[in-house]
Amino acid sequence: AQKVTQAQTEISVVEKEDVTLDCVYETRDTTYYLFWYKQPPSGELVFLIRRNSFDEQNEISGRYSWNFQKSTSSFNFTITASQVVDSAVYFCALESYGQNFVFGPGTRLSVLP
Amino acid sequence: GAGVSQTPSNKVTEKGKYVELRCDPISGHTALYWYRQSLGQGPEFLIYFQGTGAADDSGLPNDRFFAVRPEGSVSTLKIQRTERGDSAVYLCASSQGGFEETQYFGPGTRLLVL
Repeated sequence: AQKVTQAQTEISVVEKEDVTLDCVYETRDTTYYLFWYKQPPSGELVFLIRRNSFDEQNEISGRYSWNFQKSTSSFNFTITASQVVDSAVYFCALESYGQNFVFGPGTRLSVLP
Repeated sequence: GAGVSQTPSNKVTEKGKYVELRCDPISGHTALYWYRQSLGQGPEFLIYFQGTGAADDSGLPNDRFFAVRPEGSVSTLKIQRTERGDSAVYLCASSQGGFEETQYFGPGTRLLVL
């Protein structure tokens, strides 16, 4: 069975703080993709990143960075120097070959001015 | 437009009525997906089209739910005899097709069944 766990239901930080959103996944497949999406108050899911199971290299994009560790089945997302506009619900998702997208329950991030 | 569009953005109906929700995918995307998102939860898969055919409809909750994509582009999700439990945001996504492709989501249709 496939499963995505986001243990942090809600996180609040003050602007300019760094924050890490955790994602732990379960799959028996060796070929799979992991995703992060952002859902701002407007409701539309915005794609942030896709990572395949064979590429464990960490990625940085501006203030965003992702840490993929197969040994712990984790794909964590860090926002550096958070801003109020980062406030949203963030979803981690997993897709294995032949399986459907499975989303985690989401983490609601509030960045306070 | 450049992105996935969904209409209507909001739909209020009465229990027992029939509703249709429309999705217009990104031009050229062969794969189209429907999801349902209840309050405070992540999206849940309903159905996936590759071209005109439903490649996987295992997520449809019961036979009151049906979706079509007759020309391989626009899709309609149809719900018969709506129930209050059907209230949710219905999301549509499209991709270029294939397992490794990223899905791009529309803004959703918020359905409220009274």
